[in-house]
This record gives sequence, structure tokens and C-alpha cells, in this order.
Amino acid sequence: NAGVMQNPRHLVRRRGQEARLRCSPMKGHSHVYWYRQLPEEGLKFMVYLQKENIIDESGMPKERFSAEFPKEGPSILRIQQVVRGDSAAYFCASSLGPNTGELFFGEGSRLTVL
Amino acid sequence: AQTVTQSQPEMSVQEAETVTLSCTYDTSESDYYLFWYKQPPSRQMILVIRQEAYKQQNATENRFSVNFQKAAKSFSLKISDSQLGDAAMYFCAPNNAGNMLTFGGGTRLMVKP
Repeated sequence: NAGVMQNPRHLVRRRGQEARLRCSPMKGHSHVYWYRQLPEEGLKFMVYLQKENIIDESGMPKERFSAEFPKEGPSILRIQQVVRGDSAAYFCASSLGPNTGELFFGEGSRLTVL
Repeated sequence: AQTVTQSQPEMSVQEAETVTLSCTYDTSESDYYLFWYKQPPSRQMILVIRQEAYKQQNATENRFSVNFQKAAKSFSLKISDSQLGDAAMYFCAPNNAGNMLTFGGGTRLMVKP
């Protein structure tokens, strides 16, 4: 399957722990986007990365959240000291380039904070 | 900043009938795309249809078509011959430079057998 792969699909954390969500883009794609979906809401843009660079992080909370897309390996969204309000579905999408009009989504990672 | 309004939180349609989901948006971009995504209970985001803003012709994909009114910033989705499998949340989303999408709040479509 050459689609966007996210893992884990489900993650449970206790308050104060760290959550790491991984995203492997489609083969050949070097642009990755992270979105968050709270219950009963639409997806909200968080961050846009290209290999080794953060292009736009205007949707990222200022504290506890970080993202990276290293030269080798998947993109990682990291949430430190999780709180209950971080419980959501986190979607990754990838594209071949900027403004191509083609964005492919993974199946999402559902984070539950107890 | 872009804003997207989907004014119908829920819609219902009889199987085999036609339904239209509305979407209005605001953008300062001059060149952009508009998308409709479907999210079934599995929560996967599935692209339904895409429209390029510079094209006047409305996009069509099988039973799905759009009514794109650029001046009015309106982008509605028409589903013809509705099927039970069409039941899902539908999200409208324009993009800005860089493929970053702004999603509306969604419309839940129910299909009655």
C-alpha cells in the first residue's frame, strides 16, 4: 500500500505523559501536513513541513507541541505533557509539492488522554 | 485568513434521490482549489471532488458534481442517485498557497433506504 501511513492508529496516554505520532508520506512526496480534529468538528491545520524544514506552523499551539520531518524516516508530531484537551484525531496528509491541489490523507491517529 | 461556512449541520436524503450540500467561503487568494471531502464512520478522509478556481466549468465525478460560483464564493456539492454508502460527514475546504486546507464544520448526510 503506497498511501499515507500513520501510526499508531490509537494511542492512550495519561495526563502528563508524552505522545508521539508518526506519519510516512506517500512514496515520492516530500510535503507533509498535520491536522487535528476535535470531536464533532472539522479538521484544523496545525503544521506544514518539507523535508528537514518547517514551512508553516501557524496552527500549532505555542507550547508542548512540536513537529519534525527528518531527512530519513517519518514525520513525527510530538505532544509533551498531554492534557485531556489534547484528545483528538490527528491526521497527516502529504503532497508531491506545494499548491498542487492534490493532498492525500492518512487514516488518522486517535489520541485519548485519560 | 480563510473562513468556510457549511450552514447545514445535518441533511437527509432518500435513497436514489438528489441532495445538495452548501458551502460558502472567504479567501484573499486569487488562485486556489476547492475540495469536498467525505468522512465515513471509519474517519478516513476521502476526496470526493476538486475544483480549480480559475476554471469556470463545474467539476463532475460520476454522481458528484459541484456548483461553483466564484464571485459569490459559493461551492455546493450535488449528489445524484444517492446511495446508502454516501452516508457520512462531508467537509468543504479551499486551500491557500502550499496546499493548506481550511475546513468547514461539516454536514452530516443521512441516507434513508
